[in-house]
This record gives sequence, structure tokens and C-alpha cells, in this order.
Amino acid sequence: EPEVTQTPSHQVTQMGQEVILRCVPISNHLYFYWYRQILGQKVEFLVSFYNNEISEKSEIFDDQFSVERPDGSNFTLKIRSTKLEDSAMYFCASSAESRQPQHFGDGTRLSIL
Amino acid sequence: SQQGEEDPQALSIQEGENATMNCSYKTSINNLQWYRQNSGRGLVHLILIRSNEREKHSGRLRVTLDTSKKSSSLLITASRAADTASYFCATVGGQAGTALIFGKGTTLSVSS
Repeated sequence: EPEVTQTPSHQVTQMGQEVILRCVPISNHLYFYWYRQILGQKVEFLVSFYNNEISEKSEIFDDQFSVERPDGSNFTLKIRSTKLEDSAMYFCASSAESRQPQHFGDGTRLSIL
Repeated sequence: SQQGEEDPQALSIQEGENATMNCSYKTSINNLQWYRQNSGRGLVHLILIRSNEREKHSGRLRVTLDTSKKSSSLLITASRAADTASYFCATVGGQAGTALIFGKGTTLSVSS
């Protein structure tokens, strides 16, 4: 069964550094998403992406964050200047249509030192 | 917040017993979805119930939806140790209807 893959599985970065999290969504899906889960808390929506542009974003997704689909397969989340509070699991997801089940990757654990 | 809380927060049962988890939400919905998360892994979609449906089955899973009470329940019958995971309900939110809004989840432990 096709799956969403994320790399790296764990990223350790110094505060203030830029980090790029990578995702390969399911190939025939059209909608792409990023979520984050701070340890012990609920999964929170960050951003959705469709037709090469952001569909919507949450309050968390401020100017420090950006997303890109640089080619036909990858979907990336960039955090420009990381803060300690950015430490979390970041999940990528994709779906064939909006409002339909989303398929999640296993996440990237981001640790900011 | 669009999403309420799942209850219970934690549930421990023996293999073979049934597990029931409840979820509440606050706004009108198009559908409600249940996901499972094994420790250290991503979320896996289990079942979707539309707002005009009251009950849906998938294998050992049964989901009910009461839109008048803005609540849903997930029943896992004849539980197995492999069902040990966190379970989340999610509704679709946001102006574009693309964001999944999750509750805090129920952590289920099934012992053999």
C-alpha cells in the first residue's frame, strides 16, 4: 500500500538555525498537509497545500514557516530561525481530496537545542 | 476551539473485552474521522462517518454519531494487545475545510 514518507526521522538543530523537513506524499494525492505534535499534547494543524499554493494555515504557521513543492514528488516544511518551542514531532499528510481521510507519515522528531 | 475532549483520557482493559471511547465537538460538521496512533508512529485513519450517518461498522470497529449532541463514540470489540494505541477523533475545520482538528485522544492499553 502506498505510504507517505518523511525524512529525516530525527533532526537536532541549534536554536536560530534553519531546518527543512522533507516529505514524499502519496503519488496521486492532490492535497498536502503539515501538522505538529508537541510532546504530550494534541496533534495541531499547521498548513494545507493544494494546486501549488497554501489553502489555509493556522495561527502557529507564522512568517518563520514556509512550505514548498520543489518538484513533482517532494513537499517540504522550512522553519527559518528555529526556537526552543519548535521542538515537536512534525507530521506530513496527504489526501486525494479535501475532507477525505488523510494519510500520515511517521513524522520527524525535531529537537532544538 | 472546534474540538472538544475525548473521554476517557486513558483506558486499560484485558484482551477480549470491548473498549468504548467518546468524543465531543463544538461546531457543525461534514464528517467525523477516527485515527489511531501507535507510540512513535504517525496517525492511521480508521473510519469516517458522514454527518447524515448514525452508525458505521468496519471489522471490529463500530462508530456512532449523534449530531444533536455533537458527540461520537468508537467501540472496539474483542480487543487485542495489538490495539494498544492512542485513538483520536478529528473533524474538518478551517475556512477552506482542509484542516483536521484533533482532540487530545484516548490512550488504550490492552493487556494479555
